[in-house]
Amino acid sequence: EIVLTQSPGTLSLSPGERATLSCRASQSVRSRCLAWYQQKPGQAPRLLIYGASSRATGIPDRFSGSGSGTDFTLTISRLEPEDFAVYYCQQYDNLPRTFGQGTKVEIK
Amino acid sequence: EVQLVESGGGLVQPGGSLRLSCAASGFTFRSSWMTWVRQAPGKGLEWVANINQDEGEKYFLDSVKGRFTISRDNAKNSLYLQMNSLRAEDTAVYYCGRDTRGVFDYWGQGTLVTVSS
Repeated sequence: EIVLTQSPGTLSLSPGERATLSCRASQSVRSRCLAWYQQKPGQAPRLLIYGASSRATGIPDRFSGSGSGTDFTLTISRLEPEDFAVYYCQQYDNLPRTFGQGTKVEIK
Repeated sequence: EVQLVESGGGLVQPGGSLRLSCAASGFTFRSSWMTWVRQAPGKGLEWVANINQDEGEKYFLDSVKGRFTISRDNAKNSLYLQMNSLRAEDTAVYYCGRDTRGVFDYWGQGTLVTVSS
């Protein structure tokens, strides 16, 4: 099983600032099979990024993903008020599919 | 517009059973892998099971193997999760999702399952 570790646990930032979220895998994730999701309170998760760096349909270009192997990053270039949420990474290289524990981006 | 609507959640005693349903619309259900993901109260996301288009492939999280069954009815555009021998640790919101080569690109709003005496 691939264990994903996200850091930091909580990120306190102001609107307009840049957010950098990390996701580290316990073993190499082949073919960059890594996705990122956003979840707001009381809502279902929403797909942001797949293939480590491809934005899903309708996702603004302030969201970008990068990385390969065991280290991946989600960057939000300029935080908008609606971006304050919890973010999860997920690997789909093998079974079981696994998620990181989440990073909460909160308003400072 | 893609829609996934879960139902069937509720309160059940430990050792009991529950069947969750997910009604799909807005995409070609019969051509899609489908998945169930759960989220315990205040916790993160946990993949539970997935199923291919013709039910020929089904995969489960180890902790639910032998207790949960996943199935689908392509004529009814519906996905199911039969949960038996339920435990307190199965308490969670259960989401169904479309599974596109391992990426969960559409999610329902979830249904809450509470296992408690």
